Amino acid sequence: GENVEQHPSTLSVQEGDSAVIKCTYSDSASNYFPWYKQELGKGPQLIIDIRSNVGEKKDQRIAVTLNKTAKHFSLHITETQPEDSAVYFCAAPGAGGGADGLTFGKGTHLIIQP
Amino acid sequence: GAGVSQSPRYKVTKRGQDVALRCDPISGHVSLYWYRQALGQGPEFLTYFNYEAQQDKSGLPNDRFSAERPEGSISTLTIQRTEQRDSAMYRCASSARTAAQGGYTFGSGTRLTVV
Repeated sequence: GENVEQHPSTLSVQEGDSAVIKCTYSDSASNYFPWYKQELGKGPQLIIDIRSNVGEKKDQRIAVTLNKTAKHFSLHITETQPEDSAVYFCAAPGAGGGADGLTFGKGTHLIIQP
Repeated sequence: GAGVSQSPRYKVTKRGQDVALRCDPISGHVSLYWYRQALGQGPEFLTYFNYEAQQDKSGLPNDRFSAERPEGSISTLTIQRTEQRDSAMYRCASSARTAAQGGYTFGSGTRLTVV
């Protein structure tokens, strides 16, 4: 099955600076890579995703890059704001015995310092 | 409904009792997933359904865990003879398509505590 590693586990940045979270995956057949944001007391919420036929995708201050050769993908948040503080999870398909479940990383606690 | 609804929000049960956790997905979503999330960890896949058919249950920890979705909408995750190690947040998610094609919408979860 898929194995997803996520780093760092905690990231503290000054408001206005950029934050980068990295994930690696093991299954070269994986073709879909979502990122989720989880605020305290809530369920994970999809914020951006990328498919294997592109190398980068942007949505306002958020971008995801994918390197299929190296089997890693990254989340980039620019001009960070206090509301970006949350736990972020990356994921890749391949949980369980099939391709339709997701395997999640262990999460990155992003702290935005005012 | 507007989102994925789970009930109860909190459940405290005595060891050895059975519990049933309910998930009401977004209307029209064909795929429904159950995950378990320990504190400080990412969600861990348990099982999923396309319509009423259970496609993959390989993530269920043992045979005390079962799930059903008889009419392709509401789903129930049942844990029999609960043990303290079953304590966790149980999350349901639904999707209009399979995970390989699009992302999930998660519910707020059921916090299960076995005492």
